[in-house]
Amino acid sequence: SAVISQKPSRDICQRGTSLTIQCQVDSQVTMMFWYRQQPGQSLTLIATANQGSEATYESGFVIDKFPISRPNLTFSTLTVSNMSPEDSSIYLCSAGTPNTEAFFGQGTRLTVV
Amino acid sequence: AQSVTQLDSHVSVSEGTPVLLRCNYSSSYSPSLFWYVQHPNKGLQLLLKYTSAATLVKGINGFEAEFKKSETSFHLTKPSAHMSDAAEYFCVVSDRGGADGLTFGKGTHLIIQP
Repeated sequence: SAVISQKPSRDICQRGTSLTIQCQVDSQVTMMFWYRQQPGQSLTLIATANQGSEATYESGFVIDKFPISRPNLTFSTLTVSNMSPEDSSIYLCSAGTPNTEAFFGQGTRLTVV
Repeated sequence: AQSVTQLDSHVSVSEGTPVLLRCNYSSSYSPSLFWYVQHPNKGLQLLLKYTSAATLVKGINGFEAEFKKSETSFHLTKPSAHMSDAAEYFCVVSDRGGADGLTFGKGTHLIIQP
């Protein structure tokens, strides 16, 4: 299994600012992902974080709004840029391999005011 | 393309009675199927997974699910509900296996009545 640490666990931010969320995995994993969970909704995949290269974004998500880094196998960051109240959500980091299930962090609860 | 339909947005049962959370899936391939639980203000925890082995899968905390290909279903059951089972449950399908290519259902909120 893998233990995933995410920080911050929650934040309240002003509109127009940016927030960077960090995700640390306690073991080397081949895949890392970022999901968004809007209030009362299910999880939607934002992007796959690729080590040493640009992330792969899902339809409806763009790099300028959600830049992602993954400098090594165990660490990734997601930035939510130029925030608006519509960005208020829980953001979750996930990690795993092709042979394991996905493990999830505790999530970052973001409120934009 | 793959999709998941959780047939009930809310399920309410009395403590000590059986739990049934329904899930139907659609997949072009032999899918992997998962059930995750999310307690309030917590991350997601894997309850159980099906990856083409035994069709009856046993998970943690007394939960189990049966993969029925003919019905394209993967319903989650527990013989006797406990107050600590109150949470949000997500049925998830993947046609790639592992941690990749997950499609989540909309979730079922399980309420346990004392």
